[in-house]
Amino acid sequence: QKEVEQNSGPLSVPEGAIASLNCTYSDRVSQSFFWYRQYSGKSPELIMSIYSNGDKEDGRFTAQLNKASQYVSLLIRDSQPSDSATYLCAAISLRGGNKLTFGTGTQLKVEL
Amino acid sequence: ETGVTQSPTHLIKTRGQQVTLRCSSQSGHNTVSWYQQALGQGPQFIFQYYREEENGRGNFPPRFSGLQFPNYSSELNVNALELDDSALYLCASSLWGGRTDTQYFGPGTRLTVL
Repeated sequence: QKEVEQNSGPLSVPEGAIASLNCTYSDRVSQSFFWYRQYSGKSPELIMSIYSNGDKEDGRFTAQLNKASQYVSLLIRDSQPSDSATYLCAAISLRGGNKLTFGTGTQLKVEL
Repeated sequence: ETGVTQSPTHLIKTRGQQVTLRCSSQSGHNTVSWYQQALGQGPQFIFQYYREEENGRGNFPPRFSGLQFPNYSSELNVNALELDDSALYLCASSLWGGRTDTQYFGPGTRLTVL
């Protein structure tokens, strides 16, 4: 079982729709969770961090964390073609030092 | 822009050679982590440096080594290059002991081993 799992996609949504990206993790003592966006050939760019159960909103982005179910999600409202990228979910565990453990990423395509 | 810089941008080496990659951390940050990202995969943790000491290591062989300097910049050295070492190498800086453990990535170095 991978420590952080994501559906590789591609996830296709029409412009203006809500994109929903999901991630599960296996280490119960994971404490910090991050969503990074990565355009092809570029490095990961931080979108959101979340530490507590519930929702965290930042502009068009909402991160959701459910520690009991061990899942994290990212909602992108009013999706734009510029949102087309790979979205990486990452976690930091209490037992893993300060290293980020990443999923394989979900490719999002926003279609006109 | 994160303020994290890496050099060189691209590098081509042949199998068996050695390579050194460099990273300058964001101003105010004291910790540097290195990751390897193969095509189509998520980044994999190589190691982390804090106060010039290795502070955690992933599942990479000893031919991957590193340094951190007093100004918090860092180097990643890879000896005896193998074809599978071809990847995007990412440096991330963070502030250990700060309010958050967020890591910010540099632009990466694309290494090709022929």
